[in-house]
Amino acid sequence: DAGITQSPRHKVTETGTPVTLRCHQTENHRYMYWYRQDPGHGLRLIHYSYGVKDTDKGEVSDGYSVSRSKTEDFLLTLESATSSQTSVYFCAISELQLAGGDNEQFFGPGTRLTVL
Amino acid sequence: QKEVEQNSGPLSVPEGAIASLNCTYSDRGSQSFFWYRQYSGKSPELIMFIYSNGDKEDGRFTAQLNKASQYVSLLIRDSQPSDSATYLCAVNILGGFKTIFGAGTRLFVKA
Repeated sequence: DAGITQSPRHKVTETGTPVTLRCHQTENHRYMYWYRQDPGHGLRLIHYSYGVKDTDKGEVSDGYSVSRSKTEDFLLTLESATSSQTSVYFCAISELQLAGGDNEQFFGPGTRLTVL
Repeated sequence: QKEVEQNSGPLSVPEGAIASLNCTYSDRGSQSFFWYRQYSGKSPELIMFIYSNGDKEDGRFTAQLNKASQYVSLLIRDSQPSDSATYLCAVNILGGFKTIFGAGTRLFVKA
């Protein structure tokens, strides 16, 4: 298995509080991603990173921020958690192959977040 | 229109049958296509990827790609109860920086 860990694995928090989720990899992969998964929506990209300090928004980035100060760590912050952010969050890593390569993503175990 | 569409299912097939999972995508510039399997409560794992028109076989799995029709499929031969999972179709866009996932098809293989 790819060396990806997420912490915490489960969290219950209250509306309005800040929350930070951590993704840690030991594969030295350049690309890291944060997704949320909700019933009926599949995986939706929140933010991604293509290098240290290089990040960009995905399709559902509102209310989330990210930081990547080291290759191995990618943090996702919910600045003021809302009930609509209750979800399962997955981190993924990849090493993009250029010229139509496969860009396989390896996923972490997920974090189940409940916002009351 | 969603960028990657799948029938949510559930798709139910008897053990030993062929399961056929389908996916359509909207971005004609898409170059790479993936099938991930996700067991309940677990993270997705890659089964196959394909980027050329036609068929690609790997054991009991065959991925089929038709770029003209913007259609990708996954066939599972000799389906086993252990194949029961949600299958996610995914498409790389924007030169590979982003991957868009479909909502997934739930497959049940009845023993």
